[in-house]
Amino acid sequence: GENVEQHPSTLSVQEGDSAVIKCTYSDSASNYFPWYKQELGKRPQLIIDIRSNVGEKKDQRIAVTLNKTAKHFSLHITETQPEDSAVYFCAASGIGAGKSTFGDGTTLTVKP
Amino acid sequence: DAGVIQSPRHEVTEMGQEVTLRCKLISGHNSLFWYRQTMMRGLELLIYFNNNVPIDDSGMPEDRFSAKMPNASFSTLKIQPSEPRDSAVYFCASSLGGVGNTIYFGEGSWLTVV
Repeated sequence: GENVEQHPSTLSVQEGDSAVIKCTYSDSASNYFPWYKQELGKRPQLIIDIRSNVGEKKDQRIAVTLNKTAKHFSLHITETQPEDSAVYFCAASGIGAGKSTFGDGTTLTVKP
Repeated sequence: DAGVIQSPRHEVTEMGQEVTLRCKLISGHNSLFWYRQTMMRGLELLIYFNNNVPIDDSGMPEDRFSAKMPNASFSTLKIQPSEPRDSAVYFCASSLGGVGNTIYFGEGSWLTVV
């Protein structure tokens, strides 16, 4: 089955700096890669996703890149703000597979 | 749409008691997932259903745990008998199988077993 590894497990940045979280996956058939943000005491919520026919996708301060050859994808947050502090999860799944495999999460802390 | 609806939101129960967690899927979704989240283990997939059929229950910790989908829009997760180590947040999530597979989580059921 699919195996997703996520790094780093914790990340601390100064407000205004950029943050990068990286994930690798094992199943070359995976073609959908969502990222979820979970604030303290809340549920995980989708913030951005990318499909295998796209190499990069941006949404304001958030971007995701995908390298299918190397089987890794990354989340980039620019101009970080304290409200970006949360746990971020990456995931990977294939068409019709139904089940997404999640990474272990990255706790991002943005210091004001 | 109201999203995935879970109940109860919080439950405190004594060891040995039966616990039933409930979940209503987003209308039209056909995949249902039960996750457990703890500080030690992170987000664990317990079981997932597709079109009411259990597809993968390899994450169910032991026979004390059981999950059902009596119909296409509703599921229950039962723990009997409950133990203190079952204390966790239990998330139900649903998705529309096929391209995309975006999973939408409910707000979670916070279970404490004393």
